[in-house]
Amino acid sequence: EDQVTQSPEALRLQEGESSSLNCSYTVSGLRGLFWYRQDPGKGPEFLFTLYSAGEEKEKERLKATLTKKESFLHITAPKPEDSATYLCAVQHSWGKFQFGAGTQVVVTP
Amino acid sequence: GAVVSQHPSRVICKSGTSVKIECRSLDFQATTMFWYRQFPKQSLMLMATSNEGSKATYEQGVEKDKFLINHASLTLSTLTVTSAHPEDSSFYICSASRGGEVNQPQHFGDGTRLSIL
Repeated sequence: EDQVTQSPEALRLQEGESSSLNCSYTVSGLRGLFWYRQDPGKGPEFLFTLYSAGEEKEKERLKATLTKKESFLHITAPKPEDSATYLCAVQHSWGKFQFGAGTQVVVTP
Repeated sequence: GAVVSQHPSRVICKSGTSVKIECRSLDFQATTMFWYRQFPKQSLMLMATSNEGSKATYEQGVEKDKFLINHASLTLSTLTVTSAHPEDSSFYICSASRGGEVNQPQHFGDGTRLSIL
């Protein structure tokens, strides 16, 4: 069965305390892996797309990496404005998107 | 700026009412749009794929007569929750990908919070 699992479910960080979020997946055919940020009461905001193992993408304090089984979203020296729920999604070879349950990140000053 | 617009953002209505939600792609044509439902602290669950000019494709367990989807143009898809009941209360989100290219990310609307009394 195709699955997308994110861990941890929640993460509380002090400002400046770097950490990583995990997205592990088991799909029969991966077209791409996507990371989104979702603020309360809002739709997800696109962050990154990763297509192949070994690929890395960076944006400000965020860096996403991909292996054949999982993806990591590294948050370096987070700020309170990085508080959000981070979602990963895999796109199957036939086009369908499947989302993980998300990691809720809270960054305190 | 936003590339997908969803309206309304919040609806509160009585049980038995039908509610229509609009999803528009603002600066691109979308032959395919997606409708999701999200419960508190849970992931997005795909309800259906909306195809311009043809019938929507519904996920298993989603009642097509309950959730009517119309994709009449390349920039507009609508979801109508017919005869809504309290169990239909949820956060509904639409998304669209820029058409014609594989591996394009989905861009999401800001969602509609539906509350049925």
